[in-house]
Amino acid sequence: DSGVTQTPKHLITATGQRVTLRCSPRSGDLSVYWYQQSLDQGLQFLIQYYNGEERAKGNILERFSAQQFPDLHSELNLSSLELGDSALYFCASSVEGHLAYNEQFFGPGTRLTVL
Amino acid sequence: GQQLNQSPQSMFIQEGEDVSMNCTSSSIFNTWLWYKQDPGEGPVLLIALYKAGELTSNGRLTAQFGITRKDSFLNISASIPSDVGIYFCVSFGNEKLTFGTGTRLTIIP
Repeated sequence: DSGVTQTPKHLITATGQRVTLRCSPRSGDLSVYWYQQSLDQGLQFLIQYYNGEERAKGNILERFSAQQFPDLHSELNLSSLELGDSALYFCASSVEGHLAYNEQFFGPGTRLTVL
Repeated sequence: GQQLNQSPQSMFIQEGEDVSMNCTSSSIFNTWLWYKQDPGEGPVLLIALYKAGELTSNGRLTAQFGITRKDSFLNISASIPSDVGIYFCVSFGNEKLTFGTGTRLTIIP
């Protein structure tokens, strides 16, 4: 158990819909990262927040957005969903804010299925 | 998005065998990380490398940051059943984090 929690564990929805994925970082961690893992694209970094502010951006689509709240939990919003958005979405957290120089602890993931 | 060339894609070995996998790229990186993902779980950091030529061990695992800064390898000695999973290399450079395509390790009984 990494100490990072993600809800829900599974989500099934239809094309065109909007969903929100939630992540609670490990106690004391200020940084939250979101990743997408799909069969054809592998694991891709989407976005990072540090202490409430966006710190780094990866391959995040414009239809996706994220935020980190004052209590440091984070939400990833996915809208106008397409079949290709079906994937495992991971959240990770770390104590500090550098993208590569801090060990990231991954949550168990949310499996999104778009029908 | 850009991905690293990680090989092999999959490996089928017997318990006790040594394992070797590597990642290469045409770009130069400042950091190489190796993660392992167990079935149904998120990745876990195994080894982090920050300097060209650096060789680091973590138990039965050994990883090296290539001298050219364009590659890295991971070796696992005397494999055991719990080594099963997917191993990812991750590189960092130009403020970008890039993941390898993964090496799936299966241990044949």
